[in-house]
Amino acid sequence: AQSVTQLGSHVSVSEGALVLLRCNYSSSVPPYLFWYVQYPNQGLQLLLKYTSAATLVKGINGFEAEFKKSETSFHLTKPSAHMSDAAEYFCAVSDRWSGNTPLVFGKGTRLSVIA
Amino acid sequence: NAGVTQTPKFRVLKTGQSMTLLCAQDMNHEYMYWYRQDPGMGLRLIHYSVGEGTTAKGEVPDGYNVSRLKKQNFLLGLESAAPSQTSVYFCASSGFPGQGNEKLFFGSGTQLSVL
Repeated sequence: AQSVTQLGSHVSVSEGALVLLRCNYSSSVPPYLFWYVQYPNQGLQLLLKYTSAATLVKGINGFEAEFKKSETSFHLTKPSAHMSDAAEYFCAVSDRWSGNTPLVFGKGTRLSVIA
Repeated sequence: NAGVTQTPKFRVLKTGQSMTLLCAQDMNHEYMYWYRQDPGMGLRLIHYSVGEGTTAKGEVPDGYNVSRLKKQNFLLGLESAAPSQTSVYFCASSGFPGQGNEKLFFGSGTQLSVL
């Protein structure tokens, strides 16, 4: 079964610093990969997704992620953190070869941004 | 455009009581999902549906039932609520997965407390 592991349940960065949220997937074949963000008291929103085109994927709000098959990773980065980036971030995986497999989410990483 | 609407937003139950959570989407999506979110556990899939009249079990289906009588609605039922079902419940919908169209649209959640 597909799964993702998010390293670090809580990450804290200073405003203007680099944001790096880590996600590793387990799959014998490249899956579809996603990052979702959840702001307080809201549902999840899609940040970006990898579906086999470019390995460097750009998303909303200045975030990007790079698919690295050799490392089975899909880490999320942003060059300069903003206070409004404080939220919980979820990595998710989908089996591209099955049309009926729902997304499987990681346990989430809470990002705090310090002024 | 309403997207995905969940009702109610908050509910408090006593152990053994029953209730139904309603999810409605206006995007003509085939797929609908119910997740629960607990601290440190991420989102876990309860049940999902791949079309009107169909349902399937997810990762944590015990104690819940679902129905998809109409394409736009997906109901989640608790027949005899237990304190372990205290959680935040999210409904989501999507187009056909496996075709690079796995973007999930989430509702704003239902906070359920079982005393």
